Amino acid sequence: DIQMTQSPSSLSASVGDRVTITCRASQSITTYLTWYQQKPGKAPKVLIYAASRLQSGVPSRFSGSGSGTDFTLTISSLQPEDFATYYCQQSYNARTFGQGTKVEIK
Amino acid sequence: QVQLQESGPGLVKPSETLSLTCTVSGDSITSNYWTWIRQSPGKGLEWIGNIFYSGSTNYQPSLESRVTISVDTSKSQFSLKVTSVTAADTAVYYCARQRFGGSYYFDHWGQGTLVTVSS
Repeated sequence: DIQMTQSPSSLSASVGDRVTITCRASQSITTYLTWYQQKPGKAPKVLIYAASRLQSGVPSRFSGSGSGTDFTLTISSLQPEDFATYYCQQSYNARTFGQGTKVEIK
Repeated sequence: QVQLQESGPGLVKPSETLSLTCTVSGDSITSNYWTWIRQSPGKGLEWIGNIFYSGSTNYQPSLESRVTISVDTSKSQFSLKVTSVTAADTAVYYCARQRFGGSYYFDHWGQGTLVTVSS
């Protein structure tokens, strides 16, 4: 099984901050990596797929990078609606999610 | 627009079978793979498996012995069965549409349905 490890597990940030979340795979997954945002009581929403491709309708302040085992989700200027939990997911072999990173208001 | 809706019992007794159905609208069920995912406080998000309209399936290896996913194209529905459930199967169950664009991702989800395993 491919394990996905996110860091940090949680972070506190202010509106306007640049936020970076990291996801590490236990083996190379090339660019088979997707990022989701989830708000309480709602299903996850896809933000980035294929490591760096922005899903239609997602604001350009979200960006993704990386390949192999190390990936990053960056929010360039945090907005009030961005406070949520973020998950990475690999699809190189079966499907596995990271444990999540909760972005909270500072 | 694409919509998915889960339905089924919210309470299942230990050792019994959990059964859920997902109804798809706004897209043909003969396109794409269709997926079940669950979320519990203890295990986070867990992919259960997926199905193509032809009946071809893929399952999470750790669940494969207890899980069956099937499809009914005439009703635009796909279903999940999990046998011999325990408290560890208590979770919010989501159905979702899988797409491919350089990675496989889930772009439309149902609202989720809570299934509790308890006597």
